[in-house]
This record gives sequence, C-alpha cells and structure tokens, in this order.
Amino acid sequence: KAGVTQTPRYLIKTRGQQVTLSCSPISGHRSVSWYQQTPGQGLQFLFEYFSETQRNKGNFPGRFSGRQFSNSRSEMNVSTLELGDSALYLCASRTAGRGDTEAFFGQGTRLTVV
Amino acid sequence: QKEVEQDPGPLSVPEGAIVSLNCTYSNSAFQYFMWYRQYSRKGPELLMYTYSSGNKEDGRFTAQVDKSSKYISLFIRDSQPSDSATYLCAMSEGNGGSQGNLIFGKGTKLSVKP
Repeated sequence: KAGVTQTPRYLIKTRGQQVTLSCSPISGHRSVSWYQQTPGQGLQFLFEYFSETQRNKGNFPGRFSGRQFSNSRSEMNVSTLELGDSALYLCASRTAGRGDTEAFFGQGTRLTVV
Repeated sequence: QKEVEQDPGPLSVPEGAIVSLNCTYSNSAFQYFMWYRQYSRKGPELLMYTYSSGNKEDGRFTAQVDKSSKYISLFIRDSQPSDSATYLCAMSEGNGGSQGNLIFGKGTKLSVKP
C-alpha cells in the first residue's frame, strides 16, 4: 500500500513569490492535514481538509491556504513568501472514521525562501 | 505555558539501555496520544497510538498515559543504534473537527551509541 506522497521534495523560492505544494494521501484516506516544521517552533498545525472542505485551521496568516480535490489529493499554497516561511511542510492523512486519529505523514517538502 | 512540553535533549545512551522519553501537557481534553519517530530529513513515522489512560506495548516499545498527572511516556527496551532519531509526542482532543489537529511536543533527540 503506497504511503503519503508529497511533491516536490525540495523547493527554493524568492521572497515575494508564491508556491504550491501537493499531497496525495494513502488510498482510502479522506482527511489531509498540513503542518509546518521549523527548528524553533517544531511542528505546527496549518489546516485540515476533509471531503473537499476545510474542517479546522491553525493560527497562520491568510497567505497560507489550501484545497482538497474529489480524489482527496490536497494542495497547499503560500503567497507573498517571506524568509520566515522557510520550513519543512508536512502533510498527514487519516481515514477520518469515527474516533480515528492515527495520522500518517509524508516525507515533506523542504521550502527554502531566499 | 505551552500546551505540550517535551525535553529536547539531546539524550545519549549506550546500546542495550532502556530509554525513557516523556511529555507533559496542560489540556485535560486531550484523549488521543501518539509517539512519532523522525529520522533526519524524513517525515515523522507513527510508533504508538493510545486512547485515554493506560499502557500499550509493541515489541521493544511501551507507551504509558497518565491522564490524572497529564503525563505520557515512551519506553524503549534494548535500545539499538537504529533507534537514534528525534521522538515526538503528539496529542489530540479527538472530537469532531479537532481530530485532525495534532498538538506536538518539540521532540527529544536520542542517540544510541554502539
């Protein structure tokens, strides 16, 4: 069974640009959550999508947005990039069945903003 | 006070030692508790998943949850050099829309010396 796939693995962008990251969840998983990981703040929750709807949102500015498609694949977009957006961006998928919270992570996309 | 506190280490032990990793938390609504292992430049890998209080054992790993003390532990028996990684605790309230929002500790870096 294939795991969570994130593309691309590495990105270098210039301040002010925008970027789109992609996440394909485990087959049958309907929930996708996104996290930002930095050495200083650790793993922080960005948002969760379930059945193409944003179900929960963390404390990040509106420059961070996402969406989910009917096949459960999800994209995350960051506009007007800042140097502080450099981080490892991780997505996690879950079946999102009743009471289930086991989340499985992808390898992440390492974003460097210069 | 952060919601989840975890000693960042680093923790260095000889091969074969018993390792104890811990997290404390402040939110009494947390019901689901997880331990993840993260190797350098990789995504977190789910090790243990526990609901409410109690113990759970899986091979060399034992997870303990004490909700009355708001304290969780992960024990690794007969530690191996391949266990060298960062260990992250994570928690969730696990109700409705908050299930996809995991709150993480900052991680403990473990090194097992041959």
